[in-house]
This record gives sequence, structure tokens and C-alpha cells, in this order.
Amino acid sequence: AQSVTQPDIHITVSEGASLELRCNYSYGATPYLFWYVQSPGQGLQLLLKYFSGDTLVQGIKGFEAEFKRSQSSFNLRKPSVHWSDAAEYFCAVGATNDMRFGAGTRLTVKP
Amino acid sequence: GAVVSQHPSRVICKSGTSVKIECRSLDFQATTMFWYRQFPKQSLMLMATSNEGSKATYEQGVEKDKFLINHASLTLSTLTVTSAHPEDSSFYICSASTWFLSTDTQYFGPGTRLTVL
Repeated sequence: AQSVTQPDIHITVSEGASLELRCNYSYGATPYLFWYVQSPGQGLQLLLKYFSGDTLVQGIKGFEAEFKRSQSSFNLRKPSVHWSDAAEYFCAVGATNDMRFGAGTRLTVKP
Repeated sequence: GAVVSQHPSRVICKSGTSVKIECRSLDFQATTMFWYRQFPKQSLMLMATSNEGSKATYEQGVEKDKFLINHASLTLSTLTVTSAHPEDSSFYICSASTWFLSTDTQYFGPGTRLTVL
């Protein structure tokens, strides 16, 4: 069965510092992978997705993620974090009709 | 593009009453809509999947008689929480997908906060 693990429940970084959020997945075939961001009391916004091709995926708001099949990982990165990036981040795996979400990583940004 | 709206954004109701939540795809036709429930500081739990004109497929453990889902058109799905109780208080999020826009991507609504007194 497919599953997603986000090992870090909460991460705090300083504004301007780099960020990496970890995501590991378990999937029987080539996975479809997604990163979503959720601001407090809001729905989810798609940051980026990977279906195939180039393993380094660029998304919105300056985010990128790299698919590493050998490590079953799809980590999200941003070179310089802004205060507005503080939110909950969810990694998801699967096809449209069978998507599984990780537990989420809450990002706090220090001034 | 690919905007999904939900109405209402917040609702407070008395125990025993029913509440209807609407999910609309504003600028595309959604072939499939999904309903999720999210408890505080937790991830999304898929409740059901619905295709336009068909009965919804519920996830294991979700009471279909309590959470009624109707997907009457390609732009509208509704979730009705019947005989609501305080334990039904939660954040309900819908999403929609369409083969015409981008396969295998769900577009999420802003969510509805339900509080049952």
C-alpha cells in the first residue's frame, strides 16, 4: 500500500535561511508526487508535482523538489525563506483517485 | 485557472441538525470531486470520492448515511452532515480533478470549518 512519511513535525528556520522539508514514500510503481502548502484555516495550494521526466521539479513561490528513486524521497527545498512561507506543508503520493497525504510539517519562520 | 470554492467557509450548528456544504469548480468541469476531513494539527483524511452523476465511493469507516454526498453536475458537489454531533466538528475540505486540465492533480477548495454545539 502506498504511504507517505514526513519525519519532521515542526521546523523553525530564520528568515533568509535555506529550507529543506523531507518526504519519504512507499509506492508500488512509479509514483506521482506532490507538495501542497496550507496556511492557517485555508485549503491546500499546490506547490509542485512530479509525474515523470526531470527529477528536479520547479514550483511556485521559489520552491523546488527533487525526486530520488533510490532513496524513495521527494524533499522540498527553498534557498531563502520568507516570513510568508510560514505554513503547514504536506507531501502526497499517488494517482488522482488514490492520493495519500503525509502528516504534514509545520514551518515557523523566525525574524 | 483551476479554482475551487466552498460555501460556507464557517458554520455553527446545534446538535441534531443537518448542515450542507457546497463545493464548486469555478472555471473548469470537475470529472471527480473528493471530500476530506482534517482534524486540528493533523493531515487530511479522505472521506469519499464522487464522479458526476454517480454514487460516491466512501472510504472505510466513513458512514455514508451520515455524510451524504451529491455530485449533481460537473461543477457542483455537496456534502451534507446529517444529525450532526459535536464529534463531527472539523475542517472539511473538498477538491476536484479533471482530465481536461491536468491529469492526476487535485485542486483544493479553501475548506469549511464546522462547529457543532
